[in-house]
Amino acid sequence: AQSVTQLDSQVPVFEEAPVELRCNYSSSVSVYLFWYVQYPNQGLQLLLKYLSGSTLVKGINGFEAEFNKSQTSFHLRKPSVHISDTAEYFCAAYAGNNRKLIWGLGTSLAVNP
Amino acid sequence: DAGITQSPRYKITETGRQVTLMCHQTWSHSYMFWYRQDLGHGLRLIYYSAAADITDKGEVPDGYVVSRSKTENFPLTLESATRSQTSVYFCASSADRVPYEQYFGPGTRLTVT
Repeated sequence: AQSVTQLDSQVPVFEEAPVELRCNYSSSVSVYLFWYVQYPNQGLQLLLKYLSGSTLVKGINGFEAEFNKSQTSFHLRKPSVHISDTAEYFCAAYAGNNRKLIWGLGTSLAVNP
Repeated sequence: DAGITQSPRYKITETGRQVTLMCHQTWSHSYMFWYRQDLGHGLRLIYYSAAADITDKGEVPDGYVVSRSKTENFPLTLESATRSQTSVYFCASSADRVPYEQYFGPGTRLTVT
């Protein structure tokens, strides 16, 4: 079955510390992979995407993600987080039909001073 | 302004009433989607549309009706609202071409009393 699994539902971290949000996908989904961010009371915004080519993808706000085919993972990282990074983060993969995306359940990142 | 808009942003209605949530996009994207977001469930697809006059069910279509007479509009109607439909509703759109990323509206917070 197609699935995207975000391994942590909540990640607390101190300001200026590094962070990694983990995402695994089933091998049955396509390798079009996405990370979205949702700030409080807002819609989702695309952070970055992997289509092909370099396995290290850079996105907005200093985030990057690494595609690992052998481990079927697409983990999101940031070397130094800010209070403003506090948000919900969603990993998604293209389902392979009708432009539908398969979504993870989200990871709530809480950056504390 | 270009983009995707939703109205109303907030709505309180009573059980049994009909309510329609509006979605409008200015990109002429072929695909449009309706999701609901609930704690613990992430994003769940209600309905999607591949083009004007073409719609199909998602994961949780029961109790909802959609139409798409024009490419830019995709209204979602709750025919007889129930408390279980209290949620945040997001509309999204996607172009025909790879990578099929989706662009989200700001959401409508619906409360059914």
